[in-house]
Amino acid sequence: DVKVTQSSRYLVKRTGEKVFLECVQDMDHENMFWYRQDPGLGLRLIYFSYDVKMKEKGDIPEGYSVSREKKERFSLILESASTNQTSMYLCASRTGGRSYEQYFGPGTRLTVT
Amino acid sequence: DQQVKQNSPSLSVQEGRISILNCDYTNSMFDYFLWYKKYPAEGPTFLISISSIKDKNEDGRFTVFLNKSAKHLSLHIVPSQPGDSAVYFCAASRSGTYKYIFGTGTRLKVLA
Repeated sequence: DVKVTQSSRYLVKRTGEKVFLECVQDMDHENMFWYRQDPGLGLRLIYFSYDVKMKEKGDIPEGYSVSREKKERFSLILESASTNQTSMYLCASRTGGRSYEQYFGPGTRLTVT
Repeated sequence: DQQVKQNSPSLSVQEGRISILNCDYTNSMFDYFLWYKKYPAEGPTFLISISSIKDKNEDGRFTVFLNKSAKHLSLHIVPSQPGDSAVYFCAASRSGTYKYIFGTGTRLKVLA
């Protein structure tokens, strides 16, 4: 069964802290994605990775960075957390090629105080 | 610039009736469309998709219709069940890219 896991379901951090969100998939997928979901805004793409060590900015990359050292793991880093980064963060993966279906993790609800 | 729009934030339907969720897009280069369902505190799960070479795709109680000239797609759920109550997102993608553009979601409530 397809599985995408995220390191935390709920996280509370202070302004200015460095925050790491981890995502692991067990499907040998090439592509991985980080989104944030906010009320009234839907899912917005932060970064994606189409292969190990490869990454591209999404629509809202400011304040974030990513790391993909291994195929199964994609990390989202908030260099200096701010209150406007309080959100639901969703990781997804998909196989490369012609398949469009993405598989999502359960999400991490991050609160920055 | 919202390229994918779901203009109805919420919808209530009686159990057993048809639910119709709508989605509009502006970019004519999109050629693949997906619907996801999301329950609270869970990640979205894939529901059904359609390629732009088709105008209809059916999977059990779920049917997606695509009207390319109107840049409009819709998801029909027949018959609706209380377990269908969730937020539904449509998403669009373009061949050769990795990006998906999501709509803002429609919250469906199926009343027993």
